[in-house]
Amino acid sequence: DAGVIQSPRHEVTEMGQEVTLRCKPISGHDYLFWYRQTMMRGLELLIYFNNNVPIDDSGMPEDRFSAKMPNASFSTLKIQPSEPRDSAVYFCASSVADTQYFGPGTRLTVL
Amino acid sequence: QKEVEQDPGPLSVPEGAIVSLNCTYSNSAFQYFMWYRQYSRKGPELLMYTYSSGNKEDGRFTAQVDKSSKYISLFIRDSQPSDSATYLCAMTTYSSASKIIFGSGTRLSIRP
Repeated sequence: DAGVIQSPRHEVTEMGQEVTLRCKPISGHDYLFWYRQTMMRGLELLIYFNNNVPIDDSGMPEDRFSAKMPNASFSTLKIQPSEPRDSAVYFCASSVADTQYFGPGTRLTVL
Repeated sequence: QKEVEQDPGPLSVPEGAIVSLNCTYSNSAFQYFMWYRQYSRKGPELLMYTYSSGNKEDGRFTAQVDKSSKYISLFIRDSQPSDSATYLCAMTTYSSASKIIFGSGTRLSIRP
C-alpha cells in the first residue's frame, strides 16, 4: 500500500487566497484525521471523520477552515481566506482499529 | 495547563547510551498511551502503544505507564544515530481511532 497520500507537499500563497489541501487515506481505513503542526502549538487535531461523517470539528480554529470527505478515498481541508498565522504543516492521518497512519504532510506558507 | 506536558529538549546523548523520555498528564481518564517517532520533514509514525498501567517492551524500546502518578516514559537501549528524531507522547480516553492528545515532542540527537 502507498500509505496516506497528501497533496500538494508544499504550498506558498498570499494572504487572502483560498488554499485547498488534499488527502487520500489508506484503503479500508474508516477514520480520517486532519492535524496542524507548528513549533509553538505542536500537533493539534483539527477535525476527524468516521465513515465519511465528521465526528469532531472542535479543533477547527475558525470559520475560515472547512473540511469535507465526499467519499471513503478522498478528503479536503480548505482555508478561505488564508492568513499568515495559518502557516504550518498540515497532516492527514487514517486509521482502522488502534493505529493512526500519518501522511507526509503539506507545508503551507502564507505570505 | 496543557493536558499533556513534554520537555521539548533538545536532548543529545552518545551512541550506545540509554535514553529516557517522559511525559506527564492531567486527565485521569486517559487509558491508551502511545509514543510516536517523527523524523525531520516526515509524518509521525507509531512506535509503541500501551493500554493502562505497566510496561511494554519491543526490541530496544520499553514503554512504561504509571497511572497513579500520571507519568509515562519511553526508554531506548543501545541508542543508535538512526534513533535521532522527535518523539511525541500521545494519549486518549478511548482507542487511538478517536481523538488523541499529543505532547509537544522531545527532539533527540544521538551522537556517533
